[in-house]
Order: sequence, then structure tokens, then C-alpha cells
Amino acid sequence: DAKTTQPTSMDCAEGRAANLPCNHSTISGNEYVYWYRQIHSQGPQYIIHGLKNNETNEMASLIITEDRKSSTLILPHATLRDTAVYYCIGYTGTASKLTFGTGTRLQVTL
Amino acid sequence: ETGVTQSPTHLIKTRGQQVTLRCSSQSGHNTVSWYQQALGQGPQFIFQYYREEENGRGNFPPRFSGLQFPNYSSELNVNALELDDSALYLCASSLDFQETQYFGPGTRLLVL
Repeated sequence: DAKTTQPTSMDCAEGRAANLPCNHSTISGNEYVYWYRQIHSQGPQYIIHGLKNNETNEMASLIITEDRKSSTLILPHATLRDTAVYYCIGYTGTASKLTFGTGTRLQVTL
Repeated sequence: ETGVTQSPTHLIKTRGQQVTLRCSSQSGHNTVSWYQQALGQGPQFIFQYYREEENGRGNFPPRFSGLQFPNYSSELNVNALELDDSALYLCASSLDFQETQYFGPGTRLLVL
């Protein structure tokens, strides 16, 4: 699975869009980009995933560059409850495991 | 629809003891994966069970073992507990072994 690189931490004002970047320059053609988040001491929560096309669900939007070397998770209107560690993961499914890095700690403030 | 559940929520053991953690998968899911998360780190893959067979294992010693039952619930067993086994243990279930994994709330194990 691809190695991903994310900023260690980010801040966002409540009500503003939170844009979380992820670099995955070694991603292979059959690897999906998955995003999870983990609120303190809870299990990781699935957010969204995509292969090539941009994706949107009720939680977030995922923008993947055309060359698939990077992506951005967008939380359109961040709230205090979005404060968490966000993980970007490359996953094919064939290796069974999700490989978590250190993620981005997003702090949403008033 | 019930999500992934784990029991117990918290557990305290002493070094050398054995522990069993349990996971009930989401309805319709036939795959369970187990992860260990030490304090301040991301989850690390232990192993995965698909239709009652082990389907992949991470870099954990043999004293970490597991089972998956016909109803697809699963157990994680750890023998000869060490202090470094103190962690949050997470299980995740998926519709199939290649599909999206959904996590339970975890079991926090403290080894004294």
C-alpha cells in the first residue's frame, strides 16, 4: 500500500471549510484513497474513499488530483465536533490491512 | 442496524496473564480485522479473519492469536502479557475482505 504524507496539525475556525491535504505520490493504479478520523480514545470512523473521481457524501468531499499523487479532504462547514486526528490511507484490499500513519490533528476553534 | 461492538470496554491484567477480547461484527459482514493502538500512535494491524480463516497477519508474535466463529464474531487472545501490550485494541468488520472496514469503539487494556 502507498506511503502517505500528511501535515502534523491544522487549525480551522468553526463554520469554515477545513481542507486536509494528503500526498500519496507512490499510489498504484488499483489503490483507493481512504480517509478515516479518530476522535480522542474512540475507534476510527470511516469518512470517505475514492479511486480516481471526486467523491462527496454527507460527511465530506474528496478531491483527487488527475495524476492521483495527492488528494484533499474537505469538511465544508467544520464544527467543534470535527476536532480529531484524520488519517489518509492507500488501500487495495488485497493486503487485508489498513496502514495508518501519524495523521493530521485538526483543531476546530470558535 | 447494530454497528461493531467490542467487549469489555476496559480491562486490567498483570504481566504474564492471558486475556481474551471479543468483537461482534456488523450485520452481514463476514470479515473481522484486529488492530493495536499504543498511546500516541496510529493503529497497527494484527490480523484479519475472513469466513473463519486467518487472511493476513501483521508483525505480531504468535502469542497474539484469534478466532472467528460461524456467526462471524471474533476473539483476540493474548498470552503471556507484557507491559508493552497495554493499548487500545480495535476490531473492524467489513462486508468482504476487500471492502471498507468499520471500527468498533475498542477495548482499552492495561497491563501492570
